[in-house]
Amino acid sequence: GQNIDQPTEMTATEGAIVQINCTYQTSGFNGLFWYQQHAGEAPTFLSYNVLDGLEEKGRFSSFLSRSKGYSYLLLKELQMKDSASYLCAVMDSNYQLIWGAGTKLIIKP
Amino acid sequence: GAVVSQHPSRVICKSGTSVKIECRSLDFQATTMFWYRQFPKQSLMLMATSNEGSKATYEQGVEKDKFLINHASLTLSTLTVTSAHPEDSSFYICSARLARGNNEQFFGPGTRLTVL
Repeated sequence: GQNIDQPTEMTATEGAIVQINCTYQTSGFNGLFWYQQHAGEAPTFLSYNVLDGLEEKGRFSSFLSRSKGYSYLLLKELQMKDSASYLCAVMDSNYQLIWGAGTKLIIKP
Repeated sequence: GAVVSQHPSRVICKSGTSVKIECRSLDFQATTMFWYRQFPKQSLMLMATSNEGSKATYEQGVEKDKFLINHASLTLSTLTVTSAHPEDSSFYICSARLARGNNEQFFGPGTRLTVL
């Protein structure tokens, strides 16, 4: 079966760095997405990785290793507004998104 | 660019009534739209894939006669929850996929449905 694993919840301090990991097993691979979702709102796109390596976009970076079925989202200089759920999703061979359960990130002052 | 709207944002209805939710891609044409349901503290659950001009493809366990999907144009898909019951109360989110680039999905703002 297809499976996406990510931690349920993480806590970090304002101004610090946090890494949210995601491992996956899917039928085929056409890219991995990270989305941010604030409570009661729809997900918003953060990043897309289809090749191995690190993609940096401002305070956020995303890494992919296809051979290991592994990705992480790195958030730097954390701000209180970064408190949200972070969803890892893999596009399978049918171009369907397989979603992880999401990681709730709690930022403390 | 790539904005998706959803209407209504919130609806409260009585048990047994039907509710229609609209999903529109405002500045691009979407041949494929997706309908998701999300219960509190859970991840997105794909309900169906909606293709313009053809019947929707429903995920296993989703009743096609209860959740009617119509994708009549390249910019509009509708989800009708028929004979709604309290257990249908949920957050319904649509997304539209760009038919180019990385196939990224753009999400609507979601519809909070409460069935009394």
